[in-house]
Amino acid sequence: SQQGEEDPQALSIQEGENATMNCSYKTSINNLQWYRQNSGRGLVHLILIRSNEREKHSGRLRVTLDTSKKSSSLLITASRAADTASYFCATDAKTGGFKTIFGAGTRLFVKA
Amino acid sequence: DTEVTQTPKHLVMGMTNKKSLKCEQHMGHRAMYWYKQKAKKPPELMFVYSYEKLSINESVPSRFSPECPNSSLLNLHLHALQPEDSALYLCASSHPGLAGGPSYNEQFFGPGTRLTVL
Repeated sequence: SQQGEEDPQALSIQEGENATMNCSYKTSINNLQWYRQNSGRGLVHLILIRSNEREKHSGRLRVTLDTSKKSSSLLITASRAADTASYFCATDAKTGGFKTIFGAGTRLFVKA
Repeated sequence: DTEVTQTPKHLVMGMTNKKSLKCEQHMGHRAMYWYKQKAKKPPELMFVYSYEKLSINESVPSRFSPECPNSSLLNLHLHALQPEDSALYLCASSHPGLAGGPSYNEQFFGPGTRLTVL
């Protein structure tokens, strides 16, 4: 199976609520990144966390990384309708030349 | 300039056609990538160029032929494609890592080319 797997596959919340997405991976990594994609267009980089970091913040985003459990979470606080998008984790897996592998993604829908 | 541009935005081609997708960035990035994305699926890595040299080819069929003419440009030449090759083709660029390889840093993505093969 693929390197990054995410849950939930889909998440529907009300504006103002927090959204949490989880990502698991299988091999050793150098870093883990989160990206957002609106309506099948280009991906936008949100945050990068290195394997020696445990938590990182950027605005309303909080990312954690647990290398012992090979998992990461993305928390979006005080969600807005504009946060509606697909969210992907991507790992810089230490296999076959450090290629980037994306997880299956979580589709977030924020209702106004 | 923090933008990756891709042309064309949409492309419809027959199975016997030859076409090319183009990608350009002026951020000084020396790693560039091609991804293929099917509907409701994650992007799948196809090729990686690092310092204008092909460093990763993910067993992509030879009907897809990448080219990196210089550090700002990346092309994907298409020939004799199949209908199952219809997808969104994404280009990305990044600073190449040092010990960590080309995918060590954040990638900047273009808007993609939506390809339909008839």
